[in-house]
Amino acid sequence: DTEVTQTPKHLVMGMTNKKSLKCEQHMGHRAMYWYKQKAKKPPELMFVYSYEKLSINESVPSRFSPECPNSSLLNLHLHALQPEDSALYLCASSQVNTAIYGYTFGSGTRLTVV
Amino acid sequence: ILNVEQSPQSLHVQEGDSTNFTCSFPSSNFYALHWYRWETAKSPEALFVMTLNGDEKKKGRISATLNTKEGYSYLYIKGSQPEDSATYLCAHNGNQFYFGTGTSLTVIP
Repeated sequence: DTEVTQTPKHLVMGMTNKKSLKCEQHMGHRAMYWYKQKAKKPPELMFVYSYEKLSINESVPSRFSPECPNSSLLNLHLHALQPEDSALYLCASSQVNTAIYGYTFGSGTRLTVV
Repeated sequence: ILNVEQSPQSLHVQEGDSTNFTCSFPSSNFYALHWYRWETAKSPEALFVMTLNGDEKKKGRISATLNTKEGYSYLYIKGSQPEDSATYLCAHNGNQFYFGTGTSLTVIP
């Protein structure tokens, strides 16, 4: 299995809703990432998990809450989002040495906050 | 935050034309330069990882070069085909990945 699977592919949620994005990989990668991409902008790093521990939080608002329950799963819990949070949310995984292997990406969740 | 720039932002070429685009990045704190091909509604697909100044990589009709001293990489596509239509994204790999905004390529049959 050489894929990163993200669900759902599309999500529309209200500003008072609570929802979760899921990401799964079975490649034995020990680093997992959440990125946010707005139209015509580069993907921006949100969180990095290394060996199931949060290693980087790029000053992301607390309405985004990541969770890594095991080495194969990465969740992003969403609560009280704003319309400006509408974006493509990409998950990626990698071997720890990204300079050799790079990232494997999921296809993303297109989130719309109404 | 590192500034990684890609040009042009978008490109339309005729089928059979060859084309190239640029990724510019700061040459400091450099471990690798990654190229990805990203079709709409799909996952970005890894094309090349380049680490050494002067590296050249090739995959079929697509090739890439790297100049770490001046901080740029070129991606070349020879004899473009409609299936090459995608966004081509580069990423500077230092302590973190920093992505460019991508070059959107449309190949017109």
